[in-house]
Amino acid sequence: KQEVTQIPAALSVPEGENLVLNCSFTDSAIYNLQWFRQDPGKGLTSLLLIQSSQREQTSGRLNASLDKSSGRSTLYIAASQPGDSATYLCAVMDSSYKLIFGSGTRLLVRP
Amino acid sequence: GAVVSQHPSRVICKSGTSVKIECRSLDFQATTMFWYRQFPKQSLMLMATSNEGSKATYEQGVEKDKFLINHASLTLSTLTVTSAHPEDSSFYICSALNRGPANYGYTFGSGTRLTVV
Repeated sequence: KQEVTQIPAALSVPEGENLVLNCSFTDSAIYNLQWFRQDPGKGLTSLLLIQSSQREQTSGRLNASLDKSSGRSTLYIAASQPGDSATYLCAVMDSSYKLIFGSGTRLLVRP
Repeated sequence: GAVVSQHPSRVICKSGTSVKIECRSLDFQATTMFWYRQFPKQSLMLMATSNEGSKATYEQGVEKDKFLINHASLTLSTLTVTSAHPEDSSFYICSALNRGPANYGYTFGSGTRLTVV
């Protein structure tokens, strides 16, 4: 059974810091991995999607990497801003197209 | 980009009544949609997979008669919470699988906050 773990569960940093969020999964047979952002009481916004054949994806200040063999992904946020404060969720798509979510990392960027 | 519209965003209903939540893919066809439930400060729990033109597939522990799912067209799936009780109060989120060549991933709706009183 696929299990997705995110570390840390919560993170508080001062504005301007670069930071790394970690995601690990137990079964490497994935279709893709997706990072989402969720603001309180809101739905999910897709940030980056990495296909299983890819190693990384970049969008603006965000960079996500994928090491499928070791079951790990990282989300790198450069020059963090207070507007980046949210919960970040990692999810892997299994062979039946189901998304398995991690428990998320709650990020607070202090002004 | 792919957009999924979920309606209503917030609903309050009396115990014993039924509530219908709609999930629409606005600019793509979605043969497969998914319904999730999220408790406060917890991650998303997959409830069921909705396939256009066929019966939904429910995850273990999810009551089929309680959570009725209909996927009558390629752009619309509905979740009806029947005979709602306070313990059904939760945040429900739908998503659609976008099989477009540039984006083989999920697009999520904005969620529905259900409160049963």
